[in-house]
Amino acid sequence: EAQVTQNPRYLITVTGKKLTVTCSQNMNHEYMSWYRQDPGLGLRQIYYSMNVEVTDKGDVPEGYKVSRKEKRNFPLILESPSPNQTSLYFCASSLSRGQYEQYFGPGTRLTVT
Amino acid sequence: SQQGEEDPQALSIQEGENATMNCSYKTSINNLQWYRQNSGRGLVHLILIRSNEREKHSGRLRVTLDTSKKSSSLLITASRAADTASYFCATDYNRGSTLGRLYFGRGTQLTVWP
Repeated sequence: EAQVTQNPRYLITVTGKKLTVTCSQNMNHEYMSWYRQDPGLGLRQIYYSMNVEVTDKGDVPEGYKVSRKEKRNFPLILESPSPNQTSLYFCASSLSRGQYEQYFGPGTRLTVT
Repeated sequence: SQQGEEDPQALSIQEGENATMNCSYKTSINNLQWYRQNSGRGLVHLILIRSNEREKHSGRLRVTLDTSKKSSSLLITASRAADTASYFCATDYNRGSTLGRLYFGRGTQLTVWP
């Protein structure tokens, strides 16, 4: 089944404790992206990747890191999480470039206390 | 902001009625897409309409695009309780060196009562 998977689905952590949210797609998509969703603000793009080893900042990259060493994986790293990073996070992938249909993962609900 | 903006923010209707949601955007686009999100879950792609298209259908969905007004509408006919969800428009701005990013609006929350 074609899908985007994210882990963990739920995470409660404390300020400053490094964490990684994994994202994997099995559709051989070139483009992958991370979004965060907050009430009243819609989806905002954090980082995106056009292909392996190619990443770029979205609209809200501060406090996040990403890497794209393999085509299928695009982990999101929070080196020192803060409470303002409490949010619902989505990974998405697209066949080629972001303007085509994007496939979303199920989401990761992160709470930073 | 380069986001599209959906209108209304919330819509409540009875089963069997039609639901219309609108999206306005600011600059020229390559395409406009509509997505659906059930509460707290991932977005699901519904339909993509290109800038040179004016209308597109998919099942009970009808999307129109008016590039002169920079607006789009999503019509769901004969709505069902299962259509209850948030609906987002997303635009790919047509820039000279486009990076192919999608910009999402804040969404319309549709509630369909049985």
